[in-house]
Amino acid sequence: DTGVSQDPRHKITKRGQNVTFRCDPISEHNRLYWYRQTLGQGPEFLTYFQNEAQLEKSRLLSDRFSAERPKGSFSTLEIQRTEQGDSAMYLCASSPAGIYEQYFGPGTRLTVT
Amino acid sequence: EDQVTQSPEALRLQEGESSSLNCSYTVSGLRGLFWYRQDPGKGPEFLFTLYSAGEEKEKERLKATLTKKESFLHITAPKPEDSATYLCAVPPNYGGSQGNLIFGKGTKLSVKP
Repeated sequence: DTGVSQDPRHKITKRGQNVTFRCDPISEHNRLYWYRQTLGQGPEFLTYFQNEAQLEKSRLLSDRFSAERPKGSFSTLEIQRTEQGDSAMYLCASSPAGIYEQYFGPGTRLTVT
Repeated sequence: EDQVTQSPEALRLQEGESSSLNCSYTVSGLRGLFWYRQDPGKGPEFLFTLYSAGEEKEKERLKATLTKKESFLHITAPKPEDSATYLCAVPPNYGGSQGNLIFGKGTKLSVKP
């Protein structure tokens, strides 16, 4: 059984560029979550999906951020016109519906220069 | 506002020196409290779920307990490999939320041989 996977693991980009991250959840999990974590802080919720439906978005998710989960399988998180404040670890997690225990991937470390 | 507060921020122990980490929360109608371990540069690893006051869970040298307003993570005779950041999290208590988690900032544990 494979866990949650994320790609890429590291991304360095210049301010103003667009970036896209991918998350593959545990296969039998129909909920998928995105979090952001900065140094010395706990993960902060961004958004989550149940199957292909995006059910909740945090106020942290500005209009430069968009997430999709086509066909209820993998998910992508895109950040447009990146800013230095977007530098963080982006974490993906998954869980079965109705279960709060979330299983996290290794994260994607984004550095905006 | 729902909050999770962890203390201490950092804890240094000698190998074999037992101690406890604290997680206090302000959410009412608790729907579970979750402990995670996070190694540097990696995603959080799920440890325990606690649902009701008085509940205890154990795993190797770790034991988690829960009261009405806080949880403790007891570490008995720790080893250097227990060094990590320990995070606790709760689901928020507002209508409509289906499962995102509010995390504390974590306790960074260092165990010296």
